[in-house]
Amino acid sequence: DIQMTQSPSTLSASIGDRVTITCRASQSISSWLAWYQQKPGKAPKLLIYKASSLESGVPSRFSGSGSGTEFTLTISSLQPDDFATYYCQQYSDYLYTFGQGTKLEIK
Amino acid sequence: QVQLVESGGGVVQPGRSLRLSCAASGFTFSSYGMHWVRQAPDKGLEWVAVISFDGSYTHYADSVKGRFTISRDNSKTTLYLQMNSLGTEDTAVYYCTKDRYAGNSFSHYWGPGTLVTVSS
Repeated sequence: DIQMTQSPSTLSASIGDRVTITCRASQSISSWLAWYQQKPGKAPKLLIYKASSLESGVPSRFSGSGSGTEFTLTISSLQPDDFATYYCQQYSDYLYTFGQGTKLEIK
Repeated sequence: QVQLVESGGGVVQPGRSLRLSCAASGFTFSSYGMHWVRQAPDKGLEWVAVISFDGSYTHYADSVKGRFTISRDNSKTTLYLQMNSLGTEDTAVYYCTKDRYAGNSFSHYWGPGTLVTVSS
């Protein structure tokens, strides 16, 4: 089974900061990686797919990169609406595993 | 617009069964794979099961294999999750999600979720 590990688990940042979240796969998943944003009490929302493709309607301050086993989600300039929990998910094999999540908090 | 609405959640005793439904609209249901994803209270997301657009294949997380069955009725544009032998570890919000393609990719759209509580 492919394991997904995100870091950090919690990230404190300020409005306007540039932040990066890392997701590592236990084996190569090519570019079959998605990123989601979840706010408390709400369903997750797709941000990025195929490692770096921005979902329609998602602000351009969000970007994704990486391939193989190491991936990053970057928010170029944090906005108040971005404080949430972020998850990566691999879809290279049929177990579609998620990372454990990264909670982005206001500093 | 895509709409996914889960139903069937509630409180159930350990060892009992429950069937969740997900009513889909706003897209050609029979052309897309569908998933169930769950989230235990204050925990992360856990993928549960996937079914292809035509129901020809299904896959399950190891944690539910042999106990849960995903199915679909394309004529009713509805997805199902039959859950048997429920344990307290199955307590979670269950989300129905639409695959981006035929059933081998990511969750493009999500329903609001339905809460399942397994408790005596």
